[in-house]
Amino acid sequence: SQQGEEDPQALSIQEGENATMNCSYKTSINNLQWYRQNSGRGLVHLILIRSNEREKHSGRLRVTLDTSKKSSSLLITASRAADTASYFCAPPRSNYKLTFGKGTLLTVNP
Amino acid sequence: DTEVTQTPKHLVMGMTNKKSLKCEQHMGHRAMYWYKQKAKKPPELMFVYSYEKLSINESVPSRFSPECPNSSLLNLHLHALQPEDSALYLCASSQGALREYEQYFGPGTRLTVT
Repeated sequence: SQQGEEDPQALSIQEGENATMNCSYKTSINNLQWYRQNSGRGLVHLILIRSNEREKHSGRLRVTLDTSKKSSSLLITASRAADTASYFCAPPRSNYKLTFGKGTLLTVNP
Repeated sequence: DTEVTQTPKHLVMGMTNKKSLKCEQHMGHRAMYWYKQKAKKPPELMFVYSYEKLSINESVPSRFSPECPNSSLLNLHLHALQPEDSALYLCASSQGALREYEQYFGPGTRLTVT
């Protein structure tokens, strides 16, 4: 079934470094969303990239989408301790559903 | 106001209790969702309401009963739950129920079933 698979499952970096996380999915999509979740709290929408877009930026975030490889990546530049969170990609499963991958747990050490 | 609120923040209930979770949004969104999230797992969709009508039930056991009294409110009624139902319950809303709309999440209700 359609579900994003993030890689790596966990990532630990120093403040100021860049963090890259990847997402692979199985079936064709018309868009893909990325969300962040701070420990034990609700999810926050980060960015939506459409299938006709290859790259999208939002502040320190850069998302790419390669529909031929069925993969997406999220790059956070100049990371901060406040970026510590779980990051989920969410390819749509059907017209009404998003499915969230297992997520990447990012730890940014001060 | 881009906030989704959920009450209560924490809930402890016995297996014979009846309780309700509440969710509210004032963004004029026409779709609302309930998700269940176990520790270290991604959120799993439970229900989708679109224009106050239940449009998706992900084969959720009947001990979970959703209700959408109006376009701003979403309830989840709980009855005869099992300990394995302990989880974080997240409510979300979006402009429409189509997949291209971003979802706004509430902070969740941490439910413990004893």
